[in-house]
Formats: sequence, C-alpha cells, structure tokens
Amino acid sequence: QVQLVESGAGVVQPGGSLRLSCAASGFTFSNYNMHWVRQAPGKGLEWVAFIWFDGSSKKYADSVKGRLTISRDNFKDTLYLQMNSLTIEDTAVYYCAKDSGGGDCALDYWGQGALVTVSS
Amino acid sequence: QTVVTQEPSFSVSPGGTVTLTCGLNSGSVSTNYYPSWYQQTPGQTPRTLIYTTNTRSSGVPDRFSGSILGNKAALTITGAQADDESDYYCALFLGGGLWVFGGGTKLTVL
Repeated sequence: QVQLVESGAGVVQPGGSLRLSCAASGFTFSNYNMHWVRQAPGKGLEWVAFIWFDGSSKKYADSVKGRLTISRDNFKDTLYLQMNSLTIEDTAVYYCAKDSGGGDCALDYWGQGALVTVSS
Repeated sequence: QTVVTQEPSFSVSPGGTVTLTCGLNSGSVSTNYYPSWYQQTPGQTPRTLIYTTNTRSSGVPDRFSGSILGNKAALTITGAQADDESDYYCALFLGGGLWVFGGGTKLTVL
C-alpha cells in the first residue's frame, strides 16, 4: 500500500533553515508528481509546492516563493522541502502528498505530517 | 489573488442531507478546475474524498458525492452520520501545477 513518511521535523529560530524529507513506498515514485501542503496551528490547509515526476518543473505558492524549495531523488524514492529564511508564519504541520496522475488532478495519498516550529 | 470560498461552518442532523460549496472570488468553478474534496478530523491526516469533481476515492461511502451546482463545486453528504463530523476542504487546480485550497468548512452533526 502507498506510504508517505515525513521526517526532519523540529524547532528552528527565525531566519533559520530546515529540510524535510518524505520517504515514499508502495508505488512507483518516479512516475508521479508530488506536493507539499502545510497547516498552521488551528488553521486550514495551504498548498505549498508541486514538483513534476522527473523534477523538471516546480511550482510554489506566492507565500513561500524564493524561500522554500521542493526537490526529489527518484533513486531514493524521496521528496524534499528545503526551507530557508524561515519566519514565525511558517510554523505548521507539513504534509507531503502524492498526485493522483492519470489525467485526474488530486492529492490522493498523504503522509502523517511533520511539525515545523519557528520560534526564538 | 485567487481565493477559494467555503462556508466556515455548517450543521446537519443525523440522517440528514447537507451540501457544502466551493466558490471562487474571481468567477465560476467549473470541471476545468478539477475540484477535489478532503476530510480532516482534528489531529488527523487529511483524507481524500472526491476528485475530478465527482469521482469518489477508494473506500469512500457513496453517501458522499461531488458535483457542480451553479457556479460552485459542491460536496453533498446524504444520510449524515456522527463520524462525518469533521473539517472539509475543497481544492482547485489552477493549471500549470498551481493549486489552491479553500478555507474549510467545519461540519457539526447534531
């Protein structure tokens, strides 16, 4: 079955950096586009970033453009989110999600989430 | 800026029917936006309910259905049950790999 397991959660000071990883299994990772979605405490879901199956195209929400970078390693079946210049507003649970593909557009499987806390 | 609108809260009686909607500040929602719906109970991971307007994800009961109603996407729950009490989010595909979520609807079953 499809599994997505995030790691790299932690506490970081404002202006600091952190890298999240998402280990994928149960499907052919290199065939699917992937997403990061976040949820601030007590708030709704916010789409953050998208990467094409081969890494050739990446898209970002305006709120994170230039500071967060999505990438992937198809040999390691792993998705990444490099987070730089973090602010308190980046405090959230970060979910990786698999794109459904096949002509449909949806996030069909989600990881359990990784909590990132930005605090001094 | 694209803003997706959802009712902040809704209430339904057990066994009743409720329709949650998903609109756009800049126009109409159509199938071209591939509307999808996600259910989340507090402290849990989101669960995909509906994608591409009206396709149920594997294992989702048929009391959940998706559609376009007027100029909005809609999620209808028919015969609501207590464990349907959750937050519901819609998401729209804007094209070019860009997505946006609505603010979510908190559904109470009482």
